[in-house]
Amino acid sequence: AQSVAQPEDQVNVAEGNPLTVKCTYSVSGNPYLFWYVQYPNRGLQFLLKYITGDNLVKGSYGFEAEFNKSQTSFHLKKPSALVSDSALYFCAVRPVTGGFKTIFGAGTRLFVKA
Amino acid sequence: EPEVTQTPSHQVTQMGQEVILRCVPISNHLYFYWYRQILGQKVEFLVSFYNNEISEKSEIFDDQFSVERPDGSNFTLKIRSTKLEDSAMYFCASSAERGFDNEQFFGPGTRLTVL
Repeated sequence: AQSVAQPEDQVNVAEGNPLTVKCTYSVSGNPYLFWYVQYPNRGLQFLLKYITGDNLVKGSYGFEAEFNKSQTSFHLKKPSALVSDSALYFCAVRPVTGGFKTIFGAGTRLFVKA
Repeated sequence: EPEVTQTPSHQVTQMGQEVILRCVPISNHLYFYWYRQILGQKVEFLVSFYNNEISEKSEIFDDQFSVERPDGSNFTLKIRSTKLEDSAMYFCASSAERGFDNEQFFGPGTRLTVL
């Protein structure tokens, strides 16, 4: 079965420190990979995506993610966290042959402490 | 910045009643979607819609669900006879271009509570 795993329910980091939010996936073939962020009472906002090419993808608000095919991972990173980054982060996968259906992870809550 | 909007933000209904959840996608978008998230669980794909017809649907999207774009701006999800297990947050999304690699833009969601 196709799935996305975000192994951490919550990640705590101090402001100014680097952050990593982990994501691994299990799909057939090469997928399209996405990260979304959700702030309270808002919809999911697109952060970045990996389609093909360079394994390091840069996105909105200083976030980046690294695609690792051998480890089937797509971890979200930021060199220096801000308190305003505190939110719920979703990793999502769309199998290349799977049409528009997007498979989401369970979400990881990021808490950045001042 | 254009946004997807959804109404109502919270809908409470009795089991067996029909509900219609409304969405206004971003105006130049052509592809529309519904997802749901049961409390504490993953966001799940329900259906995609293009050119006035369903292009894909999941196993969740059974005969009690239907979608419609009645007037060129709204995109609705109807649940004919609600069940307790339909209680969830329902997200509408839209995307601009054909291409499975395109990002989808999500609305803030409608929280449906079935009593």
